[in-house]
Amino acid sequence: NAGVTQTPKFQVLKTGQSMTLQCAQDMNHNSMYWYRQDPGMGLRLIYYSASEGTTDKGEVPNGYNVSRLNKREFSLRLESAAPSQTSVYFCASRIGQHYEQYFGPGTRLTVT
Amino acid sequence: KNQVEQSPQSLIILEGKNCTLQCNYTVSPFSNLRWYKQDTGRGPVSLTIMTFSENTKSNGRYTATLDADTKQSSLHITASQLSDSASYICVVITNSYGGSQGNLIFGKGTKLSVKP
Repeated sequence: NAGVTQTPKFQVLKTGQSMTLQCAQDMNHNSMYWYRQDPGMGLRLIYYSASEGTTDKGEVPNGYNVSRLNKREFSLRLESAAPSQTSVYFCASRIGQHYEQYFGPGTRLTVT
Repeated sequence: KNQVEQSPQSLIILEGKNCTLQCNYTVSPFSNLRWYKQDTGRGPVSLTIMTFSENTKSNGRYTATLDADTKQSSLHITASQLSDSASYICVVITNSYGGSQGNLIFGKGTKLSVKP
């Protein structure tokens, strides 16, 4: 099992460019999550998908969109990147609401 | 608003010494509490889970405690090793679904540095 995989690992964008962060899990988990992690802020929830076919906004959804493509894949899109979106992005998944959450290795994004 | 506070923010100890990290929470309704370890440049990994009825749980050199009355948890690391250098994140899971936090409330973490 690969667990939770994320691509790319690193990305540099110019302000205004768009990109999609990809996440996939092979553990047959129902719920998937996107977080951003900034120094001193901890992990903040951007969007989550409690089950296939549903998505909900987290604490910091502005500037992002998500797609739950199927049970395995959950992508995060930045339509017009801004320097404030410079961060490390983590995807996570878990089988249900009270179970352990498994994290991917992260994507380090820099917007100049 | 549900919140999780961790202390200290950072800690430096010598290899072989013990340390204790604190987590205070105001989360309701409470389901369970997890401690995660995050190595630099990696995603967090679960160390232990505490349910409402559990006071103490050990995982090797890591021992977590939970006092549900005072809403406090601690993570004690015994005989620290260089590989313990990491951030330790306290996460409280609530039975309340949905909302902007999902049902996981994250602390900001304690950054532990173990020096030789």
